[in-house]
Amino acid sequence: GAGVSQTPSNKVTEKGKYVELRCDPISGHTALYWYRQSLGQGPEFLIYFQGTGAADDSGLPNDRFFAVRPEGSVSTLKIQRTERGDSAVYLCASSAEPGQGTFFGQGTRLTVV
Amino acid sequence: AQSVAQPEDQVNVAEGNPLTVKCTYSVSGNPYLFWYVQYPNRGLQFLLKYITGDNLVKGSYGFEAEFNKSQTSFHLKKPSALVSDSALYFCAVSPWYSSASKIIFGSGTRLSIRP
Repeated sequence: GAGVSQTPSNKVTEKGKYVELRCDPISGHTALYWYRQSLGQGPEFLIYFQGTGAADDSGLPNDRFFAVRPEGSVSTLKIQRTERGDSAVYLCASSAEPGQGTFFGQGTRLTVV
Repeated sequence: AQSVAQPEDQVNVAEGNPLTVKCTYSVSGNPYLFWYVQYPNRGLQFLLKYITGDNLVKGSYGFEAEFNKSQTSFHLKKPSALVSDSALYFCAVSPWYSSASKIIFGSGTRLSIRP
């Protein structure tokens, strides 16, 4: 596609449930990033993939959060045992190389009730 | 620790006037610096970046930013504001050793341009 695509655009889940958020990066982009943006704040870094491997996962808040990118393209962010504090917009971004222009998707708005 | 500060939550400017959105950073070594804009219900859009070279960087939509190493600042500027520039602006920094793979964002400044 022309841009970074994230699905679903909105997700409402009950506390304690498991959710998966999907990101389709721009074709050919080797670098993929996940960020989380809470209301009134800037995006917060979660994890960065270079190809299939997680090059930096220092932003994942705890072990309930996990992300994969098995074929070096699509990535899935997985959240186990969701909590109300996980409610935020989860942003995915990709770039051809780190340091080049980074393109963001429109995000998935996650609401945990 | 690396950080970015945007001291103004909101900046109000009349259309046609120059605008400045302030940003200061704290990072080890020579940083990569970025500005992004976020329009309502749209994703973050890249405006411009500084990596090395000329301290004045030109970007999209007529925006520019000036890197000042001694003041650790990277203020966003535009000579003549448009109503359509109204949006949320984020300054961001990446430590040099991360090769710009980890971008740290400021809290954002809401720019409001009145007709």
